[in-house]
Amino acid sequence: DQQVKQNSPSLSVQEGRISILNCDYTNSMFDYFLWYKKYPAEGPTFLISISSIKDKNEDGRFTVFLNKSAKHLSLHIVPSQPGDSAVYFCAARRGNSGGSNYKLTFGKGTLLTVNP
Amino acid sequence: GAGVSQSPSNKVTEKGKDVELRCDPISGHTALYWYRQSLGQGLEFLIYFQGNSAPDKSGLPSDRFSAERTGGSVSTLTIQRTQQEDSAVYLCASRHPGELFFGEGSRLTVL
Repeated sequence: DQQVKQNSPSLSVQEGRISILNCDYTNSMFDYFLWYKKYPAEGPTFLISISSIKDKNEDGRFTVFLNKSAKHLSLHIVPSQPGDSAVYFCAARRGNSGGSNYKLTFGKGTLLTVNP
Repeated sequence: GAGVSQSPSNKVTEKGKDVELRCDPISGHTALYWYRQSLGQGLEFLIYFQGNSAPDKSGLPSDRFSAERTGGSVSTLTIQRTQQEDSAVYLCASRHPGELFFGEGSRLTVL
């Protein structure tokens, strides 16, 4: 049972355009959502997060939108740059999970390719 | 070191052998996690250590998997009698507090 789903395994966009990566979740107990970026042969690195009390969080070129009623979040990158080419993982965690409150559940990832 | 360090970076072993994977977290980070990523899959939680508390082992896939964390710092993930389905990248992460910082992973290939 996959609780965090990234239905697009890959996405290709032109440099300068907007990249939109989507993520859906099924567990209504999730209250905090994160995006991680992973380059080949490197560990994932934290990119941006959003709490369930918000519907938008922006950090430079990166914006995450959360639609709680649809259990859907998306990551927008604008303008996209070739250096953004990487695998992007959506992750979520539950509230009230005691000492393991950072036991994140990850999606399978979306490979973003930004073409020059 | 400045980041989470894992060793070995690559390990090829024969089915049935035991393997040990090491993680050296960021100094001062009290929480340490092990995840694994199998081919085409997301990151799968394995085990979590927080200070002196009992570890959360709920993600370990079988009793062939075990992990320990000595002195609240270095952690070792041990896989006994390896199987081909154990082939994956094993990622360690630490945090204190804030978001997870991941190491580069140990790629395990079981022949």
